[in-house]
Amino acid sequence: DAGVTQSPTHLIKTRGQQVTLRCSPKSGHDTVSWYQQALGQGPQFIFQYYEEEERQRGNFPDRFSGHQFPNYSSELNVNALLLGDSALYLCASSLRGQGVRSPLHFGNGTRLTVT
Amino acid sequence: SQQGEEDPQALSIQEGENATMNCSYKTSINNLQWYRQNSGRGLVHLILIRSNEREKHSGRLRVTLDTSKKSSSLLITASRAADTASYFCATDVRSGNTPLVFGKGTRLSVIA
Repeated sequence: DAGVTQSPTHLIKTRGQQVTLRCSPKSGHDTVSWYQQALGQGPQFIFQYYEEEERQRGNFPDRFSGHQFPNYSSELNVNALLLGDSALYLCASSLRGQGVRSPLHFGNGTRLTVT
Repeated sequence: SQQGEEDPQALSIQEGENATMNCSYKTSINNLQWYRQNSGRGLVHLILIRSNEREKHSGRLRVTLDTSKKSSSLLITASRAADTASYFCATDVRSGNTPLVFGKGTRLSVIA
């Protein structure tokens, strides 16, 4: 039973560039949430996707966008990268049928460094 | 914004001792969840306690919830070096359809 997989594991980008991060949810899950975790901080909610639509969004600028595909996998795109975007980006999946409040299953994240 | 705040920020204990971490939150919740994160890895769900529950056990973990004080505690008994990690509480806020909100975590170091 495959868990949540994220790619790439590490990424180095330059200010102003664009980046795409990818996530495959745990088998059987249909909802994907993205979190940003700065060093020494807790995860901050970016947005959640269900049925290929953004359902909830945290306090992040429009430079952060996403997509969910029919197979439930998801992408996180960040445009015009800033130094402050350097963080661990975590993808978490869940099954909506269990309720919005069901426990999240996390991938190991993508470590993004912006120079 | 951070809904839950863990206390202490860091905790260092000897192997075999018990570790207690606390979480305080601000608004009414449906449930509260605890997660563990090993360095540089993803979070792993440990336990969920509903707002109508006061205590829950899972192996060496014991979680309590006091909704009148808006606080929860996580007790790890007979700690092991492998318990070294950061521990986060996450609250499911009752009002509206909001996502899980995580605190800043407690960094636990268990010294062998």
